[in-house]
Amino acid sequence: EPEVTQTPSHQVTQMGQEVILRCVPISNHLYFYWYRQILGQKVEFLVSFYNNEISEKSEIFDDQFSVERPDGSNFTLKIRSTKLEDSAMYFCASSAYGLAAYEQYFGPGTRLTVT
Amino acid sequence: GDSVTQMEGPVTLSEEAFLTINCTYTATGYPSLFWYVQYPGEGLQLLLKATKADDKGSNKGFEATYRKETTSFHLEKGSVQVSDSAVYFCALSDDKGGGADGLTFGKGTHLIIQP
Repeated sequence: EPEVTQTPSHQVTQMGQEVILRCVPISNHLYFYWYRQILGQKVEFLVSFYNNEISEKSEIFDDQFSVERPDGSNFTLKIRSTKLEDSAMYFCASSAYGLAAYEQYFGPGTRLTVT
Repeated sequence: GDSVTQMEGPVTLSEEAFLTINCTYTATGYPSLFWYVQYPGEGLQLLLKATKADDKGSNKGFEATYRKETTSFHLEKGSVQVSDSAVYFCALSDDKGGGADGLTFGKGTHLIIQP
């Protein structure tokens, strides 16, 4: 069964450093998403991406964040200058369609620890 | 804005007990509703969904009915197993704008089933 994959599973970085989290969505899906979950808190939507541009973004997704689809398979989230409060689990998801009725398929997550 | 409220955990039950996890929502439009499950060390998996009022989603013995009048989507299972131990997330998606909107999640309910 097709699945969303994410690498690395765990990333440790120092405050102020740039990190890139990588995702490979399901191959025939057109819509891609990033979410984060700070320990003990809700899963929060960051951004959606379609046709090589951002479709929607939340208030969390500020200028420190960027997304890219550098080739036909990868989807990345870059944090330019990490802060302690960026420590969280980051989930990538993909869906075939962008409408609410269509489910999103999630990857296993990348745990980011900023020290 | 949209929000999802679900019962706090952990919820501890004995094997073969009846399960209910409450979920209520607030949304401006006509959302689709989802239950996701997260097993230890894994990503979020779609458990079931309902896209309009009075729809019942079901999967693996779990059921939830979209109740517009009470804005609820409670998860039920008649006889739980140890393997059902996981964190359960209620979520909604609402076609608010023209883009691919993200899911709005509840905080998650940790379910523990004892043999």
